[in-house]
Amino acid sequence: KNEVEQSPQNLTAQEGEFITINCSYSVGISALHWLQQHPGGGIVSLFMLSSGKKKHGRLIATINIQEKHSSLHITASHPRDSAVYICAVHQGAQKLVFGQGTRLTINP
Amino acid sequence: ETGVTQSPTHLIKTRGQQVTLRCSSQSGHNTVSWYQQALGQGPQFIFQYYREEENGRGNFPPRFSGLQFPNYSSELNVNALELDDSALYLCASSFAPGANVLTFGAGSRLTVL
Repeated sequence: KNEVEQSPQNLTAQEGEFITINCSYSVGISALHWLQQHPGGGIVSLFMLSSGKKKHGRLIATINIQEKHSSLHITASHPRDSAVYICAVHQGAQKLVFGQGTRLTINP
Repeated sequence: ETGVTQSPTHLIKTRGQQVTLRCSSQSGHNTVSWYQQALGQGPQFIFQYYREEENGRGNFPPRFSGLQFPNYSSELNVNALELDDSALYLCASSFAPGANVLTFGAGSRLTVL
Protein backbone atom coordinates (compact mmCIF):
# COMPACT_ATOMS: atom_id res chain seq x y z
CA LYS A 1 0.00 0.00 0.00
CA ASN A 2 1.34 3.43 -0.94
CA GLU A 3 1.95 5.89 1.87
CA VAL A 4 0.00 8.53 -0.09
CA GLU A 5 -3.13 7.52 -1.97
CA GLN A 6 -5.10 9.76 -4.29
CA SER A 7 -8.55 9.30 -5.75
CA PRO A 8 -9.76 9.27 -8.35
CA GLN A 9 -6.83 8.40 -10.63
CA ASN A 10 -8.61 9.87 -13.63
CA LEU A 11 -11.43 12.39 -13.72
CA THR A 12 -13.25 13.83 -16.70
CA ALA A 13 -15.82 16.58 -16.24
CA GLN A 14 -17.64 19.28 -18.15
CA GLU A 15 -16.67 22.92 -17.96
CA GLY A 16 -18.27 24.59 -14.95
CA GLU A 17 -18.49 21.50 -12.77
CA PHE A 18 -17.27 21.41 -9.17
CA ILE A 19 -14.24 19.12 -8.87
CA THR A 20 -12.96 17.27 -5.81
CA ILE A 21 -9.71 15.31 -5.63
CA ASN A 22 -8.91 13.37 -2.47
CA CYS A 23 -5.65 12.44 -0.78
CA SER A 24 -5.15 10.08 2.14
CA TYR A 25 -1.84 9.39 3.82
CA SER A 26 -0.68 6.85 6.35
CA VAL A 27 2.43 8.51 7.80
CA GLY A 28 3.11 11.38 10.17
CA ILE A 29 3.65 14.58 8.28
CA SER A 30 4.75 18.14 8.89
CA ALA A 31 2.98 19.56 5.82
CA LEU A 32 1.06 18.56 2.72
CA HIS A 33 1.42 20.01 -0.75
CA TRP A 34 -0.96 20.13 -3.66
CA LEU A 35 0.93 20.36 -6.94
CA GLN A 36 -0.16 20.83 -10.56
CA GLN A 37 1.72 19.18 -13.40
CA HIS A 38 1.03 20.10 -17.02
CA PRO A 39 2.01 18.01 -20.07
CA GLY A 40 5.75 18.42 -20.54
CA GLY A 41 6.39 17.85 -16.85
CA GLY A 42 6.79 21.19 -15.08
CA ILE A 43 5.35 21.19 -11.56
CA VAL A 44 3.75 24.19 -9.92
CA SER A 45 3.04 24.33 -6.21
CA LEU A 46 -0.60 25.26 -5.58
CA PHE A 47 -0.88 24.98 -1.82
CA MET A 48 1.08 24.00 1.25
CA LEU A 49 -1.09 23.04 4.21
CA SER A 50 -0.42 21.98 7.75
CA SER A 51 -3.93 22.56 9.08
CA GLY A 52 -7.34 23.90 8.14
CA LYS A 53 -8.18 25.33 4.77
CA LYS A 54 -6.66 27.58 2.11
CA LYS A 55 -8.27 29.30 -0.87
CA HIS A 56 -6.68 30.80 -3.96
CA GLY A 57 -9.02 31.96 -6.67
CA ARG A 58 -11.18 29.01 -7.71
CA LEU A 59 -9.02 26.52 -5.82
CA ILE A 60 -9.68 25.41 -2.25
CA ALA A 61 -7.60 22.94 -0.25
CA THR A 62 -8.52 21.41 3.08
CA ILE A 63 -6.73 19.09 5.45
CA ASN A 64 -7.90 17.01 8.40
CA ILE A 65 -4.83 16.02 10.38
CA GLN A 66 -6.71 13.60 12.67
CA GLU A 67 -8.19 11.71 9.72
CA LYS A 68 -4.99 12.02 7.62
CA HIS A 69 -6.96 13.28 4.67
CA SER A 70 -6.85 16.27 2.37
CA SER A 71 -9.04 17.45 -0.49
CA LEU A 72 -8.48 19.80 -3.39
CA HIS A 73 -11.58 21.47 -4.81
CA ILE A 74 -11.93 23.41 -8.04
CA THR A 75 -15.02 25.57 -8.47
CA ALA A 76 -16.37 26.59 -11.90
CA SER A 77 -13.86 24.30 -13.64
CA HIS A 78 -12.38 25.38 -16.96
CA PRO A 79 -10.53 23.46 -19.71
CA ARG A 80 -7.30 25.23 -18.70
CA ASP A 81 -7.56 23.39 -15.36
CA SER A 82 -6.82 20.15 -17.22
CA ALA A 83 -3.61 18.78 -15.73
CA VAL A 84 -2.31 16.16 -13.33
CA TYR A 85 -2.83 17.10 -9.69
CA ILE A 86 -0.42 15.57 -7.20
CA CYS A 87 -0.61 15.39 -3.43
CA ALA A 88 2.76 15.22 -1.64
CA VAL A 89 3.55 15.04 2.06
CA HIS A 90 6.64 16.17 3.94
CA GLN A 91 7.98 13.21 5.87
CA GLY A 92 10.96 14.51 7.80
CA ALA A 93 13.22 17.30 6.68
CA GLN A 94 14.43 15.70 3.49
CA LYS A 95 11.76 13.62 1.99
CA LEU A 96 8.62 14.42 0.02
CA VAL A 97 6.38 11.44 -0.57
CA PHE A 98 4.10 11.81 -3.57
CA GLY A 99 0.78 10.32 -4.51
CA GLN A 100 0.43 8.84 -7.97
CA GLY A 101 -1.48 11.85 -9.26
CA THR A 102 -5.00 12.50 -10.54
CA ARG A 103 -5.37 13.21 -14.25
CA LEU A 104 -8.11 15.83 -14.66
CA THR A 105 -9.67 16.59 -18.02
CA ILE A 106 -12.22 19.38 -18.32
CA ASN A 107 -14.19 19.33 -21.56
CA PRO A 108 -15.64 22.54 -23.01
CA GLU B 1 14.43 36.28 -9.24
CA THR B 2 15.17 33.30 -11.47
CA GLY B 3 13.40 29.97 -11.06
CA VAL B 4 14.83 26.48 -11.23
CA THR B 5 16.41 25.55 -14.56
CA GLN B 6 17.13 21.99 -15.62
CA SER B 7 19.20 20.77 -18.54
CA PRO B 8 19.00 19.04 -20.88
CA THR B 9 15.24 18.97 -21.36
CA HIS B 10 15.30 15.72 -23.32
CA LEU B 11 17.96 13.13 -23.99
CA ILE B 12 18.29 9.60 -25.31
CA LYS B 13 20.90 7.15 -24.09
CA THR B 14 21.54 3.44 -24.53
CA ARG B 15 21.84 0.77 -21.85
CA GLY B 16 25.14 0.83 -20.01
CA GLN B 17 25.88 4.47 -20.76
CA GLN B 18 26.24 7.22 -18.17
CA VAL B 19 24.24 10.45 -17.95
CA THR B 20 24.61 13.76 -16.12
CA LEU B 21 21.62 16.00 -15.50
CA ARG B 22 21.95 19.55 -14.24
CA CYS B 23 19.84 21.80 -12.05
CA SER B 24 20.32 25.44 -11.16
CA SER B 25 18.56 26.36 -7.94
CA GLN B 26 16.45 29.42 -7.41
CA SER B 27 18.31 32.47 -6.17
CA GLY B 28 18.60 32.34 -2.37
CA HIS B 29 17.97 28.59 -2.17
CA ASN B 30 20.71 26.34 -0.74
CA THR B 31 18.93 22.99 -0.90
CA VAL B 32 18.25 20.87 -3.97
CA SER B 33 16.23 17.65 -4.07
CA TRP B 34 16.06 15.25 -7.00
CA TYR B 35 13.08 13.07 -7.94
CA GLN B 36 12.45 10.37 -10.54
CA GLN B 37 9.00 10.23 -12.14
CA ALA B 38 8.22 7.16 -14.22
CA LEU B 39 5.44 7.48 -16.78
CA GLY B 40 2.03 7.59 -15.11
CA GLN B 41 3.49 7.56 -11.59
CA GLY B 42 4.13 10.12 -8.91
CA PRO B 43 7.71 11.32 -8.36
CA GLN B 44 10.02 9.28 -6.14
CA PHE B 45 12.64 10.93 -3.91
CA ILE B 46 16.21 10.18 -5.01
CA PHE B 47 18.29 12.38 -2.71
CA GLN B 48 18.75 15.87 -1.33
CA TYR B 49 21.81 18.12 -1.24
CA TYR B 50 22.28 20.86 1.31
CA ARG B 51 25.35 23.10 1.36
CA GLU B 52 27.27 20.73 -0.95
CA GLU B 53 26.63 17.60 1.15
CA GLU B 54 24.15 14.76 0.61
CA ASN B 55 21.42 15.25 3.21
CA GLY B 56 19.13 12.27 2.81
CA ARG B 57 18.62 9.59 0.23
CA GLY B 58 15.69 7.53 -1.04
CA ASN B 59 15.66 3.92 -2.14
CA PHE B 60 17.94 4.24 -5.15
CA PRO B 61 21.12 2.24 -5.88
CA PRO B 62 24.61 3.76 -5.61
CA ARG B 63 24.86 4.19 -9.38
CA PHE B 64 22.65 7.23 -8.77
CA SER B 65 24.98 9.90 -7.41
CA GLY B 66 25.00 13.64 -7.14
CA LEU B 67 26.93 16.78 -6.51
CA GLN B 68 26.15 20.25 -5.30
CA PHE B 69 28.41 23.16 -6.16
CA PRO B 70 29.27 26.29 -4.15
CA ASN B 71 26.64 28.26 -6.10
CA TYR B 72 24.12 25.57 -4.95
CA SER B 73 23.52 24.25 -8.46
CA SER B 74 23.46 20.47 -8.59
CA GLU B 75 24.12 17.49 -10.82
CA LEU B 76 22.53 14.05 -10.89
CA ASN B 77 24.72 11.31 -12.35
CA VAL B 78 23.46 7.88 -13.30
CA ASN B 79 25.94 5.17 -14.28
CA ALA B 80 25.31 1.88 -16.08
CA LEU B 81 21.93 3.01 -17.38
CA GLU B 82 19.10 0.49 -17.41
CA LEU B 83 15.88 0.56 -19.42
CA ASP B 84 13.90 1.24 -16.20
CA ASP B 85 15.85 4.45 -15.69
CA SER B 86 13.73 6.00 -18.45
CA ALA B 87 11.78 8.70 -16.64
CA LEU B 88 11.32 12.40 -16.03
CA TYR B 89 13.93 13.64 -13.57
CA LEU B 90 12.80 16.62 -11.53
CA CYS B 91 14.74 18.85 -9.21
CA ALA B 92 13.31 21.19 -6.63
CA SER B 93 15.09 23.85 -4.63
CA SER B 94 14.26 25.37 -1.28
CA PHE B 95 15.90 27.82 1.14
CA ALA B 96 16.54 25.06 3.71
CA PRO B 97 16.04 21.30 4.18
CA GLY B 98 12.46 20.66 5.18
CA ALA B 99 11.37 24.11 4.07
CA ASN B 100 7.81 23.95 2.91
CA VAL B 101 8.23 26.32 0.00
CA LEU B 102 9.58 24.42 -2.99
CA THR B 103 10.32 25.52 -6.52
CA PHE B 104 10.39 22.79 -9.15
CA GLY B 105 12.21 22.73 -12.44
CA ALA B 106 10.53 21.62 -15.66
CA GLY B 107 12.40 18.32 -15.62
CA SER B 108 14.78 16.36 -17.83
CA ARG B 109 13.17 13.52 -19.77
CA LEU B 110 15.57 10.61 -20.14
CA THR B 111 14.91 7.76 -22.54
CA VAL B 112 17.12 4.68 -22.30
CA LEU B 113 17.07 2.38 -25.34
